[in-house]
Amino acid sequence: EAGVTQFPSHSVIEKGQTVTLRCDPISGHDNLYWYRRVMGKEIKFLLHFVKESKQDESGMPNNRFLAERTGGTYSTLKVQPAELEDSGVYFCASSRTVLSSYNEQFFGPGTRLTVL
Amino acid sequence: SQKIEQNSEALNIQEGKTATLTCNYTNYSPAYLQWYRQDPGRGPVFLLLIRENEKEKRKERLKVTFDTTLKQSLFHITASQPADSATYLCALDWMDSSYKLIFGSGTRLLVRP
Repeated sequence: EAGVTQFPSHSVIEKGQTVTLRCDPISGHDNLYWYRRVMGKEIKFLLHFVKESKQDESGMPNNRFLAERTGGTYSTLKVQPAELEDSGVYFCASSRTVLSSYNEQFFGPGTRLTVL
Repeated sequence: SQKIEQNSEALNIQEGKTATLTCNYTNYSPAYLQWYRQDPGRGPVFLLLIRENEKEKRKERLKVTFDTTLKQSLFHITASQPADSATYLCALDWMDSSYKLIFGSGTRLLVRP
């Protein structure tokens, strides 16, 4: 089966511009997660979708970040306006329906965002 | 808040030796602990999960231990190979409704031929 895909792989924008990242999860995976790794730090949780609903967005840094998952398939993460501190690698992960607390997550390759 | 610590210094070992990586955590009692491998330019790849009631888990050349008293997990790669060179991440399940993962910063392993 195809893995999690993310687009673009790299994005370089100027401060104040808008960027939209896309994630296509593994087909049939209801859970979709966004994570971010900024330089020198650990990977941190941003938010979690179950199908098209936001289950947990406690990790979103501020209201410049907007995530959507219309139709419960692919997801987009928009940053508007981008700031320098938004630079980092944004990972998307998906998992099957969580029937128990066991939750193996499959990660995409990430989008490297550079804000100049 | 919860904190996960992994040795930030790279581990450099000779091929054929056993690599042992450490993950310590505080302010949390996870029911599960996971180990992931990450190669440059790639996303993390799941390796092993161990539950709080399991002391040890094995998968081929990999072995994970989980000591809930010490709040520590050890990750072993036996008969290490240059292809095992990567960054290894420890992650805890944050057992709320989202089951999001809390990651350590990772330890880089370099296996010399």
